Amino acid sequence: QSVLTQPPSVSGAPGQRVTISCTGSSSNIGAGYDVHWYQQLPGTAPKLLIYGNSNRPSGVPDRFSGSKSGTSASLAITGLQAEDEADYYCQSYDSSLSVLFGGGTKLTVL
Amino acid sequence: QVQLVESGGGVVQPGRSLRLSCAASGFTFSSYAMHWVRQAPGKGLEWVAVISYDGSNKYYADSVKGRFTISRDNSKNTLYLQMNSLRAEDTAVYYCARGSTVDSSGYYLKRDAFDIWGQGTMVTVSS
Repeated sequence: QSVLTQPPSVSGAPGQRVTISCTGSSSNIGAGYDVHWYQQLPGTAPKLLIYGNSNRPSGVPDRFSGSKSGTSASLAITGLQAEDEADYYCQSYDSSLSVLFGGGTKLTVL
Repeated sequence: QVQLVESGGGVVQPGRSLRLSCAASGFTFSSYAMHWVRQAPGKGLEWVAVISYDGSNKYYADSVKGRFTISRDNSKNTLYLQMNSLRAEDTAVYYCARGSTVDSSGYYLKRDAFDIWGQGTMVTVSS
């Protein structure tokens, strides 16, 4: 069981908005450490989607956005597209356990 | 073109050793911290180790501490992971990844995002 908790799966229809949560604690997200998000398409390496809680690398569509509040962070995807179907992971730092990944969330586009 | 290419994976018996390599190109390798991240079949991502830009600082996940050694050769633009005393639970795809921030202080060493990833190399530990 991961220290950063993500829902195992979420789904949405094309065009809809979905959110993926990443819940931590006072020793990681709640301590102010940044949260980063990755997208992993089937059979490929992860790709950086959001860094520093809410920043998008060049080339990432603005349909993807990140936020953080308290001990949790969220990834929002608007205007859902079939190509968004993938696994999504959050990442942060924990003062006692070092680099952490969430357990991952599988997004299904209905 | 910024690129990381892993090699060295394969099938190895429990208790044996293996060395992975990660060749970097398209960026100033010696300016960036580098990480190894692994993913067991059908499972999530697990951070393995990090090395600072100059090799002076190294940190490991508890699951590999004392068995794995991360190193780098900046003259060859190459990152390594020496894996000893391998166990079945080390079976995974191993990715090398670049820390996104050029940081000589070390502050971002374990806080940073990973902005460039290799394609991964599969390590199978089985008798």
